[in-house]
Amino acid sequence: NAGVMQNPRHLVRRRGQEARLRCSPMKGHSHVYWYRQLPEEGLKFMVYLQKENIIDESGMPKERFSAEFPKEGPSILRIQQVVRGDSAAYFCASYGRTVGSPLHFGNGTRLTVT
Amino acid sequence: DQQVKQNSPSLSVQEGRISILNCDYTNSMFDYFLWYKKYPAEGPTFLISISSIKDKNEDGRFTVFLNKSAKHLSLHIVPSQPGDSAVYFCAATNSGAGSYQLTFGKGTKLSVIP
Repeated sequence: NAGVMQNPRHLVRRRGQEARLRCSPMKGHSHVYWYRQLPEEGLKFMVYLQKENIIDESGMPKERFSAEFPKEGPSILRIQQVVRGDSAAYFCASYGRTVGSPLHFGNGTRLTVT
Repeated sequence: DQQVKQNSPSLSVQEGRISILNCDYTNSMFDYFLWYKKYPAEGPTFLISISSIKDKNEDGRFTVFLNKSAKHLSLHIVPSQPGDSAVYFCAATNSGAGSYQLTFGKGTKLSVIP
């Protein structure tokens, strides 16, 4: 897991604030995925990005959530006007696009909305 | 609509014995399956995968079996060790869809008793 770096590890926000979660993929990986895990649930796909492109955002809530993966720097998952239901663990994963290679996950950001 | 189901939330096994974790899926488009292991406060770690063109894949103590007609796969761990105690997630994807979006089960918590 050390290859995919996520920060912060823990984030506390009050209702209505903005949350920014960062992810640096493994070296050489240009494909980034964001997943969310609610308590007692499996991981749910949110969005798939390549550098400067959103490829698949079918799992993203339509409002308040956005993601980017700029040419330089980490991928950012942004949640505006957070609500208590946004409290979850958010995991980033990267992929090297080699046939048969798995997704490699980071250790996640645990968001708590108070 | 849960497309990947892990019906046993927990499993306890004696050290040295076999652990068998089960997973069922409903989407016939899934053709690549993975098992991830997760410790508390860490991200999922890839364990083993299997393509639908195979019915078995083995890696050390871990073997995954795939029964396509039953839409069922299982992970066997032999012999089980206390360090195997973790939550195990089954995941599936349609490799032809292009986005490598994984659908996860809710996980099975394995406890290996010394």
